[in-house]
Order: sequence, then C-alpha cells, then structure tokens
Amino acid sequence: ETGVTQSPTHLIKTRGQQVTLRCSSQSGHNTVSWYQQALGQGPQFIFQYYREEENGRGNFPPRFSGLQFPNYSSELNVNALELDDSALYLCASSLPAGDNSPLHFGNGTRLTVT
Amino acid sequence: GESVGLHLPTLSVQEGDNSIINCAYSNSASDYFIWYKQESGKGPQFIIDIRSNMDKRQGQRVTVLLNKTVKHLSLQIAATQPGDSAVYFCAENNNAGNMLTFGGGTRLMVKP
Repeated sequence: ETGVTQSPTHLIKTRGQQVTLRCSSQSGHNTVSWYQQALGQGPQFIFQYYREEENGRGNFPPRFSGLQFPNYSSELNVNALELDDSALYLCASSLPAGDNSPLHFGNGTRLTVT
Repeated sequence: GESVGLHLPTLSVQEGDNSIINCAYSNSASDYFIWYKQESGKGPQFIIDIRSNMDKRQGQRVTVLLNKTVKHLSLQIAATQPGDSAVYFCAENNNAGNMLTFGGGTRLMVKP
C-alpha cells in the first residue's frame, strides 16, 4: 500500500510569485485535503476535494486554489505569495467525505517565501 | 470561534512511565475526534480515533478517553518509550465532510 506522497519537499519562492504543490493520495482513497501548518502551530484546514470538485473550504483567500485529477491526485496553487504564506503544506487523503475516517497525511512541502 | 485547545504545551516524562496528554474542545456538535503524532520533519501520523457515542477506546499502548459532559479528550500512553517523543495533536470533526480542526499541540519529551 502506497502512502500519501508530496512534492517537492522544500521550496523557496519570492513574494508575489506563484507556486504549485503536488500530492498523490494513498491507494484506495478518493478524498484529498490540504492543510497549512505554521511553525509551532497545529495544521489549519485549507480545502478538500472529492470527485474532482472542492468539497469544503477553510478561512483562506481565493488566491489559494486547488485541483483534483481523475486518479485522485491533487495540486495546491497559491498566487501572489506573501511572506506569511511560509509554512509546511500538508496533504491528507481519506475514504469518501462523510465517512468520518481518519486522514492520512504526507510529510508535507516546506514553503519559504522571501 | 470554535476551537480545540490543549492544557499543556510541553510534557516531560521518564521512560517507562505512563503519559497523559489532555485536550479541551469547545464545539459540542463535534462527533469525531482523532489523536495525531508528529515527529520532526514529518507529517502527522494517525494514532487513534473515537466517535462521540463512545467514552473510551484502546489501541496498542494507547487509550483515548472522551468526556462529553466537560468537552475533554485525553490520550494515555502506557510505558512511554523514547520513540514516543513527538508533538501530539488532538483534532475534532464537527461536520460530515471530515474537515478537521486541530489544537495547538503538546510536545512530549521522554527522558531515558
């Protein structure tokens, strides 16, 4: 069984640039969620994708957007990067939304905005 | 707003002792709770979960207790080992979409 994989592991961008982060879900999981984890804090929910559509969204601005592909993999896109976007971005996959099943996380992408 | 929080930011225990990590939640509508362990440089790792129709659930060396009356959740680790050293997060789900609200975390340090 393949777990959740994320790429790249680390990334450095300049303020104002755009970034795309990628995630492959655990086999058998069709729901993907993205979380932002600032240093020393718990993860904060960004959004969730199910059947290639956004299924829920946290308190993040529209410059945070995503995609889910037919193979359940997903991308997180952030436009007009700000310094405060520096964080660990976590992808998690799970069984279908509504099934209260545990999220399985990848090891994240560490984004630094300078 | 609704939030999940922890009482202690850091817990230091002796190897072999039992550890108890506590968590308070404020949303009485939450019906599913999860404990995660996060080691340095890694993503959160699922430990154990519990649904609101239960008050206790046991796993291997871990037990989760849920007190809905006072909205309190705890994680008990038996015979704590150096490999248990990590940051532990509780998380709650108050909707059917599996969108979790995490607490701020407790760092567990195990002394040999």
